[in-house]
Amino acid sequence: DSGVTQTPKHLITATGQRVTLRCSPRSGDLSVYWYQQSLDQGLQFLIQYYNGEERAKGNILERFSAQQFPDLHSELNLSSLELGDSALYFCASSETGFDNTIYFGEGSWLTVV
Amino acid sequence: GEDVEQSLFLSVREGDSSVINCTYTDSSSTYLYWYKQEPGAGLQLLTYIFSNMDMKQDQRLTVLLNKKDKHLSLRIADTQTGDSAIYFCAEFESWGKLQFGAGTQVVVTP
Repeated sequence: DSGVTQTPKHLITATGQRVTLRCSPRSGDLSVYWYQQSLDQGLQFLIQYYNGEERAKGNILERFSAQQFPDLHSELNLSSLELGDSALYFCASSETGFDNTIYFGEGSWLTVV
Repeated sequence: GEDVEQSLFLSVREGDSSVINCTYTDSSSTYLYWYKQEPGAGLQLLTYIFSNMDMKQDQRLTVLLNKKDKHLSLRIADTQTGDSAIYFCAEFESWGKLQFGAGTQVVVTP
């Protein structure tokens, strides 16, 4: 158990819908990351937050957005869903934003039908 | 971004050593990582190595880093069936962004 908690574990939704994925980082970690794992793209970095502020952005679509709240949990919002958004979405956390240990949660499986 | 490359598949007999190889392209990477993903599970941080080190050993795991050739390897001694998984090599880019390889599927046969 990495200490990073993600909900829901599995989600099935229809095209065009909107979903929210939630992440609680490890206790004491200020930085949260979101990654997407799909068969065709592999593991792709989406976005990072540090202590509530966006710090780095990767291959995140405009239809997707994220935020980190004052209690440090984070949410990834996916809207106007397409079939190709079906993937495993990982949240990870680390103590700062520039340290060597980044721990991943178990992921949220999203299936868009 | 930079590419991290790994072989896609490795088959090994139980009790033998496994060696998983990885090449990376960003010479400024400070840390390099190995993660393990079992079927239906998340990414487990196995080990990491700082770029000024050549080798790191942690129980059955040995990481070798050849910075000149930008080559990283993970050796698993006495491989067990529980080691069957996908192993990802990753390099630290900036502000926690990890660039992952495609993963090496390791199958351990009795």
